Amino acid sequence: EIVLTQSPGTLSLSPGERATLSCRASQTVSSTYLAWYQQKPGQPPRLLIYSTSTRATGIPDRFSGSGSGTDFTLTISRLEPEDFAVYYCQQYGNSRHSFGQGTKMEIK
Amino acid sequence: QVQLVESGGGLVKPGGSLTLSCATSGFSFSDYYMGWIRQAPGKGLEWVSYISSAGSDKSYPDSLRGRFTISRDNAKNSLYLQVDSLRVDDTAVYYCARDGGNYWAFDIWGQGTAVTVSS
Repeated sequence: EIVLTQSPGTLSLSPGERATLSCRASQTVSSTYLAWYQQKPGQPPRLLIYSTSTRATGIPDRFSGSGSGTDFTLTISRLEPEDFAVYYCQQYGNSRHSFGQGTKMEIK
Repeated sequence: QVQLVESGGGLVKPGGSLTLSCATSGFSFSDYYMGWIRQAPGKGLEWVSYISSAGSDKSYPDSLRGRFTISRDNAKNSLYLQVDSLRVDDTAVYYCARDGGNYWAFDIWGQGTAVTVSS
């Protein structure tokens, strides 16, 4: 099963700054099947990005995704106060899904 | 509007069983793959299972295979997860989620149902 490792574990930034979150896979992941989610306390996850770089419905364009093979990145161009949350990457391959362990974005 | 509502969670003794349900509305349930994902207290997301739109294809992670059984009733627009031989480390919030289509990503999530396994 493919293991996803996210880094950093915690990211401390200020509103207005740029955030770069990394997701590394233990094996090659199809770029079609790599997604990113945001989760706030007490809420279910929300789909941000699917197919590596396609924003889900209603997601602002400050969120972007990129990558291929085993290395994928979620970028938030200018952080808004509501962006401070936990972010997870997720992949599908060989009839299995898996999630990364998450990156917590906190206000500096 | 599209809605997923889980139920069936609660306090269960180790070794017990339970069945979680997910009632859906606002979309053509029978057209979509569905999945279960869980989250232990203070921890990350763990994929538990998925099922194809017709129910013929099911998958589980190797670590959970054998104790978890996913099923669906397309006539009732409902998804189910039976969990047997419950262990303390099965304690989690269990979410049902819709697989949005061709990209194997979960685009709609329920609010979750909490399962606590304790003696």
